Amino acid sequence: EIVLTQSPGTLSLSPGERATLSCRASQSISSSYLAWYQQKPGQAPRLLIYGASSRATGIPDRFSGSGSGTDFTLTISRLEPEDFAVYYCHRYGGSPYTFGQGTKLEIK
Amino acid sequence: QVQLVESGGGVVQPGRSLRLSCAASGFTFSSYAMHWVRQAPGKGLEWVAAISYDGSNKYYADSVKGRFAISRDNSENTLYLQMNSLRAEDTTVYYCARGGYYDSGAYYSNAFDIWGQGTMVTVSS
Repeated sequence: EIVLTQSPGTLSLSPGERATLSCRASQSISSSYLAWYQQKPGQAPRLLIYGASSRATGIPDRFSGSGSGTDFTLTISRLEPEDFAVYYCHRYGGSPYTFGQGTKLEIK
Repeated sequence: QVQLVESGGGVVQPGRSLRLSCAASGFTFSSYAMHWVRQAPGKGLEWVAAISYDGSNKYYADSVKGRFAISRDNSENTLYLQMNSLRAEDTTVYYCARGGYYDSGAYYSNAFDIWGQGTMVTVSS
């Protein structure tokens, strides 16, 4: 089973700053099958990025994804107040469909 | 409007059973693979089970294999999760989510682009 490890566990930043979240896989995965989700308290996850770098419908262009092999990154170029949430990376494309443990992005 | 609505959660004693439902609307349900994902209070996301568009293939996380069963009724646009031999550690919110799709005989893997609002299951005596 492929394990996804996200870092940092918590990221404290201010609105307007740039956020860089990391997701590392225990073995190489196809970038076609790496996604990122945002989850706010009491809500279901929302798809942000699929295929490592493609934005889902309606996602602002301040969100971008990159990476390949075992190292993937979600970047939020300029943080808005509504961006403070928990972010998960996710390997899809075949069972088991693993998630990272999450990165909490909090207001500094 | 594309939507998934879960139901069936509640409080159940350890060792008992519960069946969750997920009603789909706004898209061609029978063309999509579907998934169940769960999340314990304050914890991360855990994939639970998947089913192919026609129900012919099913996949499970090791943590629920042999106890949970995923199924679907394409005539009713509904996904199910039968949960047996429930344990305290099964106490989580359960989400259904839309996955890959089938078109002209080919399968296209997708991230989980549509999620339900979740239904809470509490296993407690």
